[in-house]
Amino acid sequence: GAGVSQSPSNKVTEKGKDVELRCDPISGHTALYWYRQSLGQGLEFLIYFQGNSAPDKSGLPSDRFSAERTGGSVSTLTIQRTQQEDSAVYLCASSSQGAQGNTIYFGEGSWLTVV
Amino acid sequence: GQQLNQSPQSMFIQEGEDVSMNCTSSSIFNTWLWYKQDPGEGPVLLIALYKAGELTSNGRLTAQFGITRKDSFLNISASIPSDVGIYFCAGQDTDKLIFGTGTRLQVFP
Repeated sequence: GAGVSQSPSNKVTEKGKDVELRCDPISGHTALYWYRQSLGQGLEFLIYFQGNSAPDKSGLPSDRFSAERTGGSVSTLTIQRTQQEDSAVYLCASSSQGAQGNTIYFGEGSWLTVV
Repeated sequence: GQQLNQSPQSMFIQEGEDVSMNCTSSSIFNTWLWYKQDPGEGPVLLIALYKAGELTSNGRLTAQFGITRKDSFLNISASIPSDVGIYFCAGQDTDKLIFGTGTRLQVFP
């Protein structure tokens, strides 16, 4: 597609349920990033995929969070046993190189609300 | 998660005024970036800086990469209503971006 596509755009879930958030990066982009943005806050790095290399998971806040990237394209961020503090916008971004900030493009985000 | 210190947190200014915001880090970065985020959208890149001491302009925006590589500032001259939004700095750490805490800008006519 023309840009980074994320789904769902909005998700309301009950505490304790699992959720999956999907990201379709720009075609041909080898690098994919997930960030979390809590209300009124900055962007918190979660995980980074680059080609076939092992992902950089250093930003995942707990073992309830995981992400995978199938076939070097689509990525899914999974949050297990959701908690209210998980409520945030989850932003995905992709890049053609992964090493130059000027090629990183963001999606519009998935707004997660845990009730 | 790791974030950079950005100030001020918020600014309320009148149309036509100039704006300045800055970002500091305890770590050295090789690249500094400034993004703007409008409500309900992802951040959009405004300016990228690649060399210590570099001063770069993009229309009414001017940004500088600090000599120590640990700070950057963004200036907006002659603000207009569409400048409203949240501005984020970002430092590039290997292949990932570390973002600042954001500056929320409100412009009154």
